[in-house]
Amino acid sequence: GQNIDQPTEMTATEGAIVQINCTYQTSGFNGLFWYQQHAGEAPTFLSYNVLDGLEEKGRFSSFLSRSKGYSYLLLKELQMKDSASYLCVVMDSNYQLIWGAGTKLIIKP
Amino acid sequence: IAGITQAPTSQILAAGRRMTLRCTQDMRHNAMYWYRQDLGLGLRLIHYSNTAGTTGKGEVPDGYSVSRANTDDFPLTLASAVPSQTSVYFCASSQKGTGGGYNEQFFGPGTRLTVL
Repeated sequence: GQNIDQPTEMTATEGAIVQINCTYQTSGFNGLFWYQQHAGEAPTFLSYNVLDGLEEKGRFSSFLSRSKGYSYLLLKELQMKDSASYLCVVMDSNYQLIWGAGTKLIIKP
Repeated sequence: IAGITQAPTSQILAAGRRMTLRCTQDMRHNAMYWYRQDLGLGLRLIHYSNTAGTTGKGEVPDGYSVSRANTDDFPLTLASAVPSQTSVYFCASSQKGTGGGYNEQFFGPGTRLTVL
């Protein structure tokens, strides 16, 4: 079966750095997305990786290793507004999206 | 309007009733999707449409139907609602990429549905 694993919850301190890991087992691979979802709101797109390596976008970076079935989202200079759930999503060989359950990130002052 | 709109925002429904959730996008995206989101679970795809006039079944299609008469609208119908369909429903759209896949999805604000 197809599976996405990410931690259920993480806690970090304002101003710090946090890394949210995601491992996946899917039928083929056509890219990996990260979405942010604030409580009670819709998911919003953060990043897309299809090749191995690091993609940097401001305070957020996303890394992919296809051979390891592994990705991480790195958040720097954490702000209180970064408190949200972060969803790891893989596009399989049929271009179907497989959604992880999400990691709830709690930022403490 | 800009982006994706959904209606209603929330609804309480008696079991056995018929309900249609509306979704409209103005980005001219060719693909549209309906998801449900339940506590502790990832988004689960109900139905999708890759282009106007076509639809497909997702992971959890039973009890739901969709239609795609035009590019902009993608309504989701519950023919006879049951309590297990209590959930938050998100509509999304995306544009087909040059490589054959699809770009990121844009989501509507969601509909909170309670079936009693």
